[in-house]
Amino acid sequence: DAEITQSPRHKITETGRQVTLACHQTWNHNNMFWYRQDLGHGLRLIHYSYGVQDTNKGEVSDGYSVSRSNTEDLPLTLESAASSQTSVYFCASSGVQHAGYYEQYFGPGTRLTVT
Amino acid sequence: EDKVVQSPLSLVVHEGDTVTLNCSYEVTNFRSLLWYKQEKKAPTFLFMLTSSGIEKKSGRLSSILDKKELFSILNITATQTGDSAIYLCAVEWGAQKLVFGQGTRLTINP
Repeated sequence: DAEITQSPRHKITETGRQVTLACHQTWNHNNMFWYRQDLGHGLRLIHYSYGVQDTNKGEVSDGYSVSRSNTEDLPLTLESAASSQTSVYFCASSGVQHAGYYEQYFGPGTRLTVT
Repeated sequence: EDKVVQSPLSLVVHEGDTVTLNCSYEVTNFRSLLWYKQEKKAPTFLFMLTSSGIEKKSGRLSSILDKKELFSILNITATQTGDSAIYLCAVEWGAQKLVFGQGTRLTINP
């Protein structure tokens, strides 16, 4: 069965370190998204991609970067981790219409703690 | 600034009760409004609404959108303990770009 996976599921890192969170989908979806979820804020869009070599900034992109070298993967990099980036990170992908909407399928999430 | 506000933020009811969750929005370039259910993991899609006044239903859940007053409600009738979750409202404002509300944490007590 097609799926979307994230790794690691939990990560503890120190302030200033570079961290990369992996997202892999096997649906062959063109569109991929990264969100962070914090108490009181719901989910906020970090970066998104509509296809290979395409990346775009979302509403909270500072301190994050992504690259899209193939259809299946959109890794999220925290260039220099900060305590404010402690959060739960969700990856999503879309490419199949569901009643006129390209439904986003979410991965299981990565809980990142920056100490 | 685009904004989606949900209320209440938290709600505790007894099994069998009916609940109404609210979502108001101020979003430019509105395309659609979506509801998601989030249990202890990833959000899962419930409804997408694009037109005012047309109710979407799925079992005991239903939702309606008012584009004039800029809000949506999600109703759950005859609640069950399995309905306990965070319910997220999101507005699509560009090509699949979503802005989410804070979520409503719903707890159903037996």
